[in-house]
Amino acid sequence: DTGVSQDPRHKITKRGQNVTFRCDPISEHNRLYWYRQTLGQGPEFLTYFQNEAQLEKSRLLSDRFSAERPKGSFSTLEIQRTEQGDSAMYLCASSRGGDSGNQPQHFGDGTRLSIL
Amino acid sequence: AQKVTQAQTEISVVEKEDVTLDCVYETRDTTYYLFWYKQPPSGELVFLIRRNSFDEQNEISGRYSWNFQKSTSSFNFTITASQVVDSAVYFCALSEAGNAGNMLTFGGGTRLMVKP
Repeated sequence: DTGVSQDPRHKITKRGQNVTFRCDPISEHNRLYWYRQTLGQGPEFLTYFQNEAQLEKSRLLSDRFSAERPKGSFSTLEIQRTEQGDSAMYLCASSRGGDSGNQPQHFGDGTRLSIL
Repeated sequence: AQKVTQAQTEISVVEKEDVTLDCVYETRDTTYYLFWYKQPPSGELVFLIRRNSFDEQNEISGRYSWNFQKSTSSFNFTITASQVVDSAVYFCALSEAGNAGNMLTFGGGTRLMVKP
């Protein structure tokens, strides 16, 4: 398996700008997750997809955040009108779905966002 | 709601010492899954182990072992004969079977420093 791939690794932008991150999951995984991790904390769930359907969103995901997975493969996470508080590591994970028990999520290297 | 607590924020040991990382969880589900992940300085979360709530057998994998005790809601992780390469942040995580998306709730992490 190639692992979960995220792009870019680092993004520095000015407050108020829009940013978009991309995640390519492991190819046979139909579930894709986005998490956010701030310094010194554990990751926090943002949203997840089963194939192309976005099935759950955390209350952490404000109106400025939008995620898509148009063909059930790669996903994008866009943040509009960025704020200082958006500075964090954004992690993408993928897993197999199904009834065979809870499948482990495999994570990418993350995109570190810094807001100036 | 589910919660994971890792009371030890930082542990420092000398190489070859044994070290135990504590994890305590809270959940209302009777079926749930527990995980440990390792996050080295490079940032990628590496899956180490998954445990089902109905399987309380302890597990050993090389220098790693896990002690799952439902009676105390704990899932502790022991590294035997620690090595410098074990230096990382370790996260314990929980997902509930009642949650269709199986999203993970993470603890705050324990930073392990192994000194030569």
